[in-house]
Amino acid sequence: EPEVTQTPSHQVTQMGQEVILRCVPISNHLYFYWYRQILGQKVEFLVSFYNNEISEKSEIFDDQFSVERPDGSNFTLKIRSTKLEDSAMYFCASSESTGYNEQFFGPGTRLTVL
Amino acid sequence: AQSVSQHNHHVILSEAASLELGCNYSYGGTVNLFWYVQYPGQHLQLLLKYFSGDPLVKGIKGFEAEFIKSKFSFNLRKPSVQWSDTAEYFCAVGPYYNTDKLIFGTGTRLQVFP
Repeated sequence: EPEVTQTPSHQVTQMGQEVILRCVPISNHLYFYWYRQILGQKVEFLVSFYNNEISEKSEIFDDQFSVERPDGSNFTLKIRSTKLEDSAMYFCASSESTGYNEQFFGPGTRLTVL
Repeated sequence: AQSVSQHNHHVILSEAASLELGCNYSYGGTVNLFWYVQYPGQHLQLLLKYFSGDPLVKGIKGFEAEFIKSKFSFNLRKPSVQWSDTAEYFCAVGPYYNTDKLIFGTGTRLQVFP
């Protein structure tokens, strides 16, 4: 069964450093998403991406964040200058289309900012 | 603002006990409703979803949920749990017009003992 994959599973970085989290969505899916979950808190929507453009973003997704689909398979989330409060589990998801379709989630990347 | 509340943070049951996990949402318009499950070390997976029609929806692994519009609730039920149901359960809501953005509850950790 096709699945969303994410690398790395765990990333440790120093405050102020840039990190890139990588995702490979399911191959025929067209819509891509990033969510995050700070330990003990809710899963929060960050951004959705379609047709090489951001279609929606939350207030969390400020100028420090960017997303890219650099080739036909990868979908990346970049945090330019990490802060302590960026420590969280980051989930990538994809769906065939929007509306009535299920979002399929990856296993997550645990980001620890020291 | 839209929000989802899951009142049971941690539930402990014996095998064969019945399960009901509460989910209430706050949103004035029409919504799509989801329950996701995360087994230890695995991805978030869709258990069931409600878009319209019969308010009692059946999902995988014997789970069902009932949408009660007047109570803004979408509670998850299973008549007889198994040890393999040990997992974290997340309720999520997507506004009817835009299911790009899923709004999650904080999750309920279910432990089932043999």
